[in-house]
Amino acid sequence: NAGVTQTPKFRVLKTGQSMTLLCAQDMNHEYMYWYRQDPGMGLRLIHYSVGEGTTAKGEVPDGYNVSRLKKQNFLLGLESAAPSQTSVYFCASSALLGDTQYFGPGTRLTVL
Amino acid sequence: ELKVEQNPLFLSMQEGKNYTIYCNYSTTSDRLYWYRQDPGKSLESLFVLLSNGAVKQEGRLMASLDTKARLSTLHITAAVHDLSATYFCAVVNAGKSTFGDGTTLTVKP
Repeated sequence: NAGVTQTPKFRVLKTGQSMTLLCAQDMNHEYMYWYRQDPGMGLRLIHYSVGEGTTAKGEVPDGYNVSRLKKQNFLLGLESAAPSQTSVYFCASSALLGDTQYFGPGTRLTVL
Repeated sequence: ELKVEQNPLFLSMQEGKNYTIYCNYSTTSDRLYWYRQDPGKSLESLFVLLSNGAVKQEGRLMASLDTKARLSTLHITAAVHDLSATYFCAVVNAGKSTFGDGTTLTVKP
């Protein structure tokens, strides 16, 4: 039982490049979330999903896209990376909306 | 828009001392969580508080919730070095969680 895993752990991009972050959970949770964490700040919700095939915008969705083709996976895409997207990205999942969230180990992204 | 404020943002304590971290929020809430984050690590859930007057305790940490005052507290008793971490409260409203900015606790010998 791995819980929530994220790939990759670290990544450096140049401005304008694209990439996809992968989140996988093995707890059969319906709800999945993508957050970003910037120094000295709490987590801000980017996008979330209430089930396979669904996605919704969070607090800071601009510049990101997501997909949930399979219940266990939630992908976060950056189409054209910008330095402002330098951050640590956390994925989380929960059984029900508002339930305890289980977090992945994070992806540290630097955009030069 | 739900706003969540934690204070203090930074806390340096001596081992053996007591202190309280405060979490204020601006609108009604379904529930409130406290999470812990060790440096460079992910977040781990500590407590969930579901109703007014709820109190949860584990070890040297005790969390409480006053929904009328829109306030939660995380009390640390006789701090030890292992409690050094960043603590976040997260307030749930309509199913979405809004996090405070975190309180970074350093416990010194």
